[in-house]
Amino acid sequence: SQKIEQNSEALNIQEGKTATLTCNYTNYSPAYLQWYRQDPGRGPVFLLLIRENEKEKRKERLKVTFDTTLKQSLFHITASQPADSATYLCALQGNTGFQKLVFGTGTRLLVSP
Amino acid sequence: EAQVTQNPRYLITVTGKKLTVTCSQNMNHEYMSWYRQDPGLGLRQIYYSMNVEVTDKGDVPEGYKVSRKEKRNFPLILESPSPNQTSLYFCASSLGRGPYQPQHFGDGTRLSIL
Repeated sequence: SQKIEQNSEALNIQEGKTATLTCNYTNYSPAYLQWYRQDPGRGPVFLLLIRENEKEKRKERLKVTFDTTLKQSLFHITASQPADSATYLCALQGNTGFQKLVFGTGTRLLVSP
Repeated sequence: EAQVTQNPRYLITVTGKKLTVTCSQNMNHEYMSWYRQDPGLGLRQIYYSMNVEVTDKGDVPEGYKVSRKEKRNFPLILESPSPNQTSLYFCASSLGRGPYQPQHFGDGTRLSIL
């Protein structure tokens, strides 16, 4: 069956370190993968999109990689700050239906001062 | 300001009492959708609409209805709510129809069905 897996345990890191979040998928062949940030009581906010042929994409302190062989995307936040504390969701297009994004359950990141 | 607006933000109601959650976007987006978010299950799509008068089922459509009479509005209707529809609901919109389009989400509606 199709599955998107993100670590359900919170990731705790110290301010200034690099946070790395993982998104693994099975039985999908996505052409695009997206990452969102969600704060408590708020809707998800789009961060980055990466195409299957891009391998890596950067935006300020954020970096996303996409390895279609490993079926995995990594999301990095460098020089992390307490304001980066949030839940991060990955999303990819499912194999059925047009423009149906399927979301992972998210990983909570906690950055301590 | 570009935004997706949902109302109400919170609602406690009883089983069987019809309710409507409104969603409006001011970005002239073609594509709109509804999701529910439950602990451990993530965001699941309920219904989506590619344009006015064009709607289709998502992954969990049972017990819900939608309509798209105007481009900016996409209300979610629960004709006879039941306790298993207690959840956090999000409306989203995007420009165009491709899977590469970022989704813009509202701030959510927390529904409790007693």
